[in-house]
This record gives sequence, structure tokens and C-alpha cells, in this order.
Amino acid sequence: TQLLEQSPQFLSIQEGENLTVYCNSSSVFSSLQWYRQEPGEGPVLLVTVVTGGEVKKLKRLTFQFGDARKDSSLHITAAQPGDTGLYLCAGGSGNTGKLIFGQGTTLQVKP
Amino acid sequence: KAGVTQTPRYLIKTRGQQVTLSCSPISGHRSVSWYQQTPGQGLQFLFEYFSETQRNKGNFPGRFSGRQFSNSRSEMNVSTLELGDSALYLCASSTNTGGYGYTFGSGTRLTVV
Repeated sequence: TQLLEQSPQFLSIQEGENLTVYCNSSSVFSSLQWYRQEPGEGPVLLVTVVTGGEVKKLKRLTFQFGDARKDSSLHITAAQPGDTGLYLCAGGSGNTGKLIFGQGTTLQVKP
Repeated sequence: KAGVTQTPRYLIKTRGQQVTLSCSPISGHRSVSWYQQTPGQGLQFLFEYFSETQRNKGNFPGRFSGRQFSNSRSEMNVSTLELGDSALYLCASSTNTGGYGYTFGSGTRLTVV
């Protein structure tokens, strides 16, 4: 059974601080996706990484896929209140539409 | 470009009843997946349809079923509802299968009383 362990589960920080969210598994994934979800809405795709060691940047967000394609991290620089939300990592495997989701990280950025 | 549309947004049903949820994917998207989201279990995969064929199925009982129509619209059905079926049901679409990034709808919040 493929599992993705996401940490931390909750994070409350002040505006301007940096943070990192981790997503780990013992399984290899062909892709790793990060989503952000607002209350009452569906997850919104932030990025997809597919190559081991790949790093992608989206403004203040930096995503990394582990060399062995078993883990990933999301780093936010100078967090802002607008970054508040639930961050989810999801692993995809080959020619299947099934995603394995981590439990999520609830981020609160205080002004 | 319209997003993924799920109807209804909210639903209250009584234990033992059945329910049908609808999902209209983004135009041109042929892959539709369904997920159940609960506070305790997070997002769990229900099933995926591609060109009217069920491609994958998650570990849910047979009370959960779905189908996809020729226009890619999809429905999922839950029969003999249980209190534990209360959840946010999310539909996601993609141009093709492969798990490389999905667009999710806003979900249907199902409450079973």
C-alpha cells in the first residue's frame, strides 16, 4: 500500500517567516503534485514534478522532488497571510489516474 | 474556460437512502476521477473514468459506483447511505490519464443524518 506522510500537520507562523513542508514515502512515484485548498473549495494544483532531483519555483514557493522520487518538499519564503490554507502533496504512478494524497498541512500566516 | 462543475454543492440525505452526484469536466478533458475527503481520512481515491471506461477503482465498498457518459460528464452513486459516508466528494478532470495534474471541482458536501 502506497502512503505519503506529510509534515508538519499544522503550522502557525508570522508574516515574513520562511517555512518548509515535507512529504515522504517508502514508495516511488512517477510524479509528485502539490495542491492548495481553501475552506469549502476543491484543491488547486500548484505544481507537478516528475524528474528525480527536480526543483521548480513559483514566485516565493520552491518545490523539490527527491532524487529517488520518494519524497518532496515545499518551501515558502517570506510567507504572507494570503498563503494561508491547506497544502496537500499527492503522488501519481504511471498510467493511472489514482493519486495518493498526504494528510495535508494546515498553514496559518498571521499578519 | 469553464472549470469543473459539480452539482449539487450541498446535500442532506437520510441513512439508507441513495444519492447521485454529478460532475461536468473541463471541455476536452476525458479523464474524470472522484475522491472522498473527510477530516479523519483525508482525500481518498474512489474511481477514475476515461472515455466512458472505469480505469481504476479505490478501496471502497460496492455501494459506491460511477459512470461516465460520451460527453465525458460523470456521475457517482452511493446506495444505502451510512452516517460514515458524510464527506466532501470531489471530482477532478484531466486531458488524459497518468496522474500529472488535475483540475478539481468545488465538491459536493454530503451530510447523512
